[in-house]
Amino acid sequence: DAKTTQPPSMDCAEGRAANLPCNHSTISGNEYVYWYRQIHSQGPQYIIHGLKNNETNEMASLIITEDRKSSTLILPHATLRDTAVYYCIVRDISNFGNEKLTFGTGTRLTIIP
Amino acid sequence: NAGVTQTPKFQVLKTGQSMTLQCAQDMNHNSMYWYRQDPGMGLRLIYYSASEGTTDKGEVPNGYNVSRLNKREFSLRLESAAPSQTSVYFCASSEGGWSVDQPQHFGDGTRLSIL
Repeated sequence: DAKTTQPPSMDCAEGRAANLPCNHSTISGNEYVYWYRQIHSQGPQYIIHGLKNNETNEMASLIITEDRKSSTLILPHATLRDTAVYYCIVRDISNFGNEKLTFGTGTRLTIIP
Repeated sequence: NAGVTQTPKFQVLKTGQSMTLQCAQDMNHNSMYWYRQDPGMGLRLIYYSASEGTTDKGEVPNGYNVSRLNKREFSLRLESAAPSQTSVYFCASSEGGWSVDQPQHFGDGTRLSIL
């Protein structure tokens, strides 16, 4: 699976959009981009995933560049409860049983009141 | 909605003791996973089970064994606990299968200290 690079920490004002970048320059055609977050040592929580098109769900939006070498997770109206570590992961689903997620150290997002 | 349930939530062991961490999911998922997370680090995969009856090593399998008891349950055993195994252990499950881009769902973790 391709490696990802994320900034170690970011701050965002409450009520503003939080934009979390991720670089995955070696991503291959079979690899999806996944985002998870971990709030205060709880189990990681799935947020969103995508292959090449932009995706949106009730939690967030995922913007993937046309060359797929980077992506941005957008939390449209950040709240204090969004303070967490956010993990960007790429995963190759083309091999049966190869569903392992490789977590890096993520971005620690702090929402400022 | 229980999702993924892990027991116990906390445990303290002495070096050399053995114990089994239990994990059960009620989502009829095929695949299950065990991860460990050390302070300031991301999760590392210990073992996984792509489907009932199969298990495979992950990134850090040494010192652990697993059993996929049935489709619902996947246990992690420490035969002779060592201080280096002090960690938070997370179990996860996913639908699995060929080219299925389904996310993994995680339990709340077991906090294990080895003295």
